[in-house]
Amino acid sequence: DAGVIQSPRHEVTEMGQEVTLRCKPISGHNSLFWYRQTMMRGLELLIYFNNNVPIDDSGMPEDRFSAKMPNASFSTLKIQPSEPRDSAVYFCASSLGAGGPRGEQFFGPGTRLTVL
Amino acid sequence: QQQVKQSPQSLIVQKGGISIINCAYENTAFDYFPWYQQFPGKGPALLIAIRPDVSEKKEGRFTISFNKSAKQFSLHIMDSQPGDSATYFCAASKSGTGTYKYIFGTGTRLKVLA
Repeated sequence: DAGVIQSPRHEVTEMGQEVTLRCKPISGHNSLFWYRQTMMRGLELLIYFNNNVPIDDSGMPEDRFSAKMPNASFSTLKIQPSEPRDSAVYFCASSLGAGGPRGEQFFGPGTRLTVL
Repeated sequence: QQQVKQSPQSLIVQKGGISIINCAYENTAFDYFPWYQQFPGKGPALLIAIRPDVSEKKEGRFTISFNKSAKQFSLHIMDSQPGDSATYFCAASKSGTGTYKYIFGTGTRLKVLA
């Protein structure tokens, strides 16, 4: 059974360019989470969706970041324009139901983003 | 109040030894505390989790100890093995709007020497 799928696995871009990260959650899961991981700040929750609806985007750093979930099997995280400080590993995770003790969050392999 | 403080930042343990990682939180509304294990180049994976109605949970060589009054919890890895070398994250969460939102600690990089 496939886990959470993320693409691309690595992305190198130049400052000012648009970056789109993609995620396919585990089939049947109805909660999806986007995280950012850096050495300085660890794992930070950016936004999460429940039943394709954004529930909490308070972790999104600024308006340059946007996320969508057009259907239950696909989500995107877009950065426009990108900046060097956006360089990080971005993880997508999904869970069944509310998560927590009733359903763990399963993480994808991550996308390593480098903005030059 | 939303922070989870984790220590130490890194830990080196001899094979067969006990690895101990500590976390502390402030928000008493947190009601679920998972630990995640992350190997290089991989996403974090759930290792073990506890709810505040118990003081300890054990799964194989991994034990969570929970002190509700002190708002602290810790991960103990008994008989540590080189294969346990990874980064460990504690987290805390509370249900809200139907979904658990995790606040992660900053991580502990564990190295177990053969």
